[in-house]
Amino acid sequence: DAKTTQPNSMESNEEEPVHLPCNHSTISGTDYIHWYRQLPSQGPEYVIHGLTSNVNNRMASLAIAEDRKSSTLILHRATLRDAAVYYCILRDVLIYGGSQGNLIFGKGTKLSVKP
Amino acid sequence: GAGVSQTPSNKVTEKGKYVELRCDPISGHTALYWYRQSLGQGPEFLIYFQGTGAADDSGLPNDRFFAVRPEGSVSTLKIQRTERGDSAVYLCASSITGTSGVGTDTQYFGPGTRLTVL
Repeated sequence: DAKTTQPNSMESNEEEPVHLPCNHSTISGTDYIHWYRQLPSQGPEYVIHGLTSNVNNRMASLAIAEDRKSSTLILHRATLRDAAVYYCILRDVLIYGGSQGNLIFGKGTKLSVKP
Repeated sequence: GAGVSQTPSNKVTEKGKYVELRCDPISGHTALYWYRQSLGQGPEFLIYFQGTGAADDSGLPNDRFFAVRPEGSVSTLKIQRTERGDSAVYLCASSITGTSGVGTDTQYFGPGTRLTVL
């Protein structure tokens, strides 16, 4: 899987939008962009994923650059519960249940939310 | 429905002892993963099961670590002769391996077992 680069930490105010960037300049054409987050003292949880088009779900939006070399996870109104470490991960769509099914985590971005 | 559960939530042991960590995946999920997370780091892959068989154990650090999944559901991670460096949070995840490939496969994580080796 190609490598991703994220800032170590970010701060946000409650109820304001948050834009979490991720660079993946070596992304291949078959890599999906996944985001997971890990709340304190919990296991990671899935947030969103996409391939080329921007994606929205109940948790967040994912904006993918036209060249796919970067993406941004958008939390529209941050809450205190959104304070977590956010991981951007690339996964190859061609790998079906094989030896590379595991997620490769970096250090992620630690998001702090101020009341 | 029930998520992934792990027991115990905390385990304290002495150096040299044997420990077993248990993972109950989501019912019907054929894929099961073990990860290890040290303080301040992202989770690191240990082993991956597809059904009963270990499809990839390349992340196991040495032969003191072993995992089984005899009936294709519950899995046990076993650590022999524990060392202080084994102290970490051990995470289990499960997923349905989709026909479109793992590019779209979501993993569901348990809360982890915090292992402390004194």
